[in-house]
Amino acid sequence: GAGVSQSPSNKVTEKGKDVELRCDPISGHTALYWYRQSLGQGLEFLIYFQGNSAPDKSGLPSDRFSAERTGGSVSTLTIQRTQQEDSAVYLCAGGFLPYEQYFGPGTRLTVT
Amino acid sequence: GQQVMQIPQYQHVQEGEDFTTYCNSSTTLSNIQWYKQRPGGHPVFLIQLVKSGEVKKQKRLTFQFGEAKKNSSLHITATQTTDVGTYFCGGGSNYKLTFGKGTLLTVNP
Repeated sequence: GAGVSQSPSNKVTEKGKDVELRCDPISGHTALYWYRQSLGQGLEFLIYFQGNSAPDKSGLPSDRFSAERTGGSVSTLTIQRTQQEDSAVYLCAGGFLPYEQYFGPGTRLTVT
Repeated sequence: GQQVMQIPQYQHVQEGEDFTTYCNSSTTLSNIQWYKQRPGGHPVFLIQLVKSGEVKKQKRLTFQFGEAKKNSSLHITATQTTDVGTYFCGGGSNYKLTFGKGTLLTVNP
């Protein structure tokens, strides 16, 4: 496709349930990031993948959060036992280091 | 850890007025990137600065990187309603960008 895609675009879940968020980056982009953006806030770094290197997970807020990137392409962010404070927009971005990042449209997660 | 502060948090201007947002880092940056996020949209890359004292222009937008590579600014001349959005700076050391909280610009026509 022409750009980064994310699914679902919106997700409403009950507290305590697990969710999976998907990111399809632009083909060939070696770097992939996940960010979290709360209402009116900046972009909070979560995790970074680069090629076959070990990911930088330093931004994950708790062990309920995990992410994987299969085949150097599609990535999935999983949040287990969701809490209300997890409600936010989750953005995926890809690119070639050290250049610009191309952001997807995001997944708006609402935990009720 | 690295912190990037951005001011002001909000700016409301009349169409035709100038606008400036400032970005300050607690540490020296290898590069800085600027992004624009329209209301309801996602961040879109504007520019990257890598050299000390660098100045780049894009039409009515002027970007500067400080001599010490710890601060940056984005200046918009004669704002238009299409400039509305949140402007983020992201300071880089190696591969990771630390973003400021952004400046929300609103323009009164």
